Amino acid sequence: DVVMTQSPLSLPVTLGQPASISCRSSQSLVYSDGNTYLNWFQQRPGQSPRRLIYKVSNRDSGVPDRFSGSGSGTDFTLKINRVEAEDAGVYYCMQGTHWPNTFGQGTKLEIK
Amino acid sequence: QVQLVESGGGVVQPGRSLRLSCAGSGFTFSNYGMHWVRQAPGKGLEWVAVIWHDGSNKYYADSVKGRFTISRDNSKNTVYLQMNSLRGDDTAVYYCSPNFDFWGQGILVTVSS
Repeated sequence: DVVMTQSPLSLPVTLGQPASISCRSSQSLVYSDGNTYLNWFQQRPGQSPRRLIYKVSNRDSGVPDRFSGSGSGTDFTLKINRVEAEDAGVYYCMQGTHWPNTFGQGTKLEIK
Repeated sequence: QVQLVESGGGVVQPGRSLRLSCAGSGFTFSNYGMHWVRQAPGKGLEWVAVIWHDGSNKYYADSVKGRFTISRDNSKNTVYLQMNSLRGDDTAVYYCSPNFDFWGQGILVTVSS
């Protein structure tokens, strides 16, 4: 199975400051169709997960433009330009290229 | 408005079975592959299973392969997860999701004697 490794696992951030989460996969996530199926999810406390980014860098509808995704192959990053209070929660990367799909361990973002 | 409503959870003894249902509305259910994802208490997300939009393909996590079966009825806009030989480490909130575009509220399954 593809192992997804996130870092850091805990991320204290001051309001208004940027934040960055890294996600590395144990195999390339480039599918035979040329797409890279790497998603980012946010899970606020007590809520269901919500997808923020699909196929590395595409923002879902309603996701603020302060969120951005980048990367290729096995190395990916989620960036938040200026962290707001509502961004507190756990962030997960997930690969959808290989079966079984697999999630990273999660990164807990807390507001300082 | 998109809605996903999971049902069928509860407390079950180890070794017993349970069937979860997830009813979708507000979107064209038959166009979407449907996933089940679970989250053990205080832990991260674990992908469980997927079924293609037309039921033609299914994949499972190694941890549930041979014990869980995913199925769907597009006439009822519902996906199912039949869970057999349940173990304590199957205790989790189970979420259904169409291609991860939307998520249900989750349903708790507790495996305990």
